[in-house]
Amino acid sequence: GIQVEQSPPDLILQEGANSTLRCNFSDSVNNLQWFHQNPWGQLINLFYIPSGTKQNGRLSATTVATERYSLLYISSSQTTDSGVYFCAVEPLQGAQKLVFGQGTRLTINP
Amino acid sequence: KAGVTQTPRYLIKTRGQQVTLSCSPISGHRSVSWYQQTPGQGLQFLFEYFSETQRNKGNFPGRFSGRQFSNSRSEMNVSTLELGDSALYLCASSGNTGSGNTIYFGEGSWLTVV
Repeated sequence: GIQVEQSPPDLILQEGANSTLRCNFSDSVNNLQWFHQNPWGQLINLFYIPSGTKQNGRLSATTVATERYSLLYISSSQTTDSGVYFCAVEPLQGAQKLVFGQGTRLTINP
Repeated sequence: KAGVTQTPRYLIKTRGQQVTLSCSPISGHRSVSWYQQTPGQGLQFLFEYFSETQRNKGNFPGRFSGRQFSNSRSEMNVSTLELGDSALYLCASSGNTGSGNTIYFGEGSWLTVV
């Protein structure tokens, strides 16, 4: 089945810094989403981005479908950005609705 | 518009018991999928229902089952609970075209098996 790899696994930054999270996937996809998991466990939608670039405030994302990767950019990080960020893809083929990466744990220190 | 609602939020069960979790999707969404999250295995797909039919199934034993009702609400059941079933169970819903839609998650049900 499709493989989804996220890097780095852990990232520790000071408040105000910028960060780039990467997601590589091994096959073509219908859908790619980025999520932020809050401390209570809920997955919060950040972007639905099977291709192209989107921006939402300090966050932006780019997916290059032909090269099978996506990037999530966080600018001017705040302590509230801390948490785990997941990339998930909906394969074109196969039996799974969404396949998740292992996540990037981001810690923003004041 | 209300989000995806899962109940109960927290529960503790004993080995060998069974458990039923409930999920109400966003109004108008016909696809409901379930996921298990554990520290060791991460987020894994359990199954997906679309218009009351199971469309996809992940690699879980037959103790894990689900169903979807005509109003798109879904339930999942785990029978003969094992300690390893302790996890966060997440439900997600998406639109009415079957694929390529934004997927929205509920807050999850935290299951502890003792």
